[in-house]
Amino acid sequence: DGGITQSPKYLFRKEGQNVTLSCEQNLNHDAMYWYRQDPGQGLRLIYYSQIVNDFQKGDIAEGYSVSREKKESFPLTVTSAQKNPTAFYLCASSVTGGSEPQHFGDGTRLSIL
Amino acid sequence: QKEVEQNSGPLSVPEGAIASLNCTYSDRGSQSFFWYRQYSGKSPELIMSIYSNGDKEDGRFTAQLNKASQYVSLLIRDSQPSDSATYLCAVNKPGGYNKLIFGAGTRLAVHP
Repeated sequence: DGGITQSPKYLFRKEGQNVTLSCEQNLNHDAMYWYRQDPGQGLRLIYYSQIVNDFQKGDIAEGYSVSREKKESFPLTVTSAQKNPTAFYLCASSVTGGSEPQHFGDGTRLSIL
Repeated sequence: QKEVEQNSGPLSVPEGAIASLNCTYSDRGSQSFFWYRQYSGKSPELIMSIYSNGDKEDGRFTAQLNKASQYVSLLIRDSQPSDSATYLCAVNKPGGYNKLIFGAGTRLAVHP
């Protein structure tokens, strides 16, 4: 089945630690996105990538980093510089990054230890 | 003014009734509009896309778009308890890549 796989489902971060969230898609989509969702709020864009080896900052990129070495993969690293990382992280993809809808993975819930 | 606004709810409707969810947006250049359903603790699921003025029907769901009024709505006919969820409105921000701006969502509760 085609889809977007995020792992792990739950993740705990210690003080000063970097953690990496995985996102893999087998939909052959060019564009991939990372969002953060806090309780009672809409989704906020962290980073997006329209093509392999290229990515752009979204609205809240500080404290996060990404890579796009393969079309299928768009991992997100939450660095120690992100002081309030507790949130629900959602990875999405779309066919080309045009006007079509985005489809989401199941999400990773990150908490502080 | 928020770029995409939704009433947070909860919107409570009896089973079998029509639920009406509303969304307004600020950018007149927006061309693509989406409704997502998000169950508690789960990720958003696309349920409707609409690009032209008027109505678009898919099963029990109807999306309505009025670009002149900068208004998009979602009607759910014959509401079921399984429709109880948060409904997110997403609107594209014109210019460059496909940036979607999400509203904070409307929580719908369908009671038996």
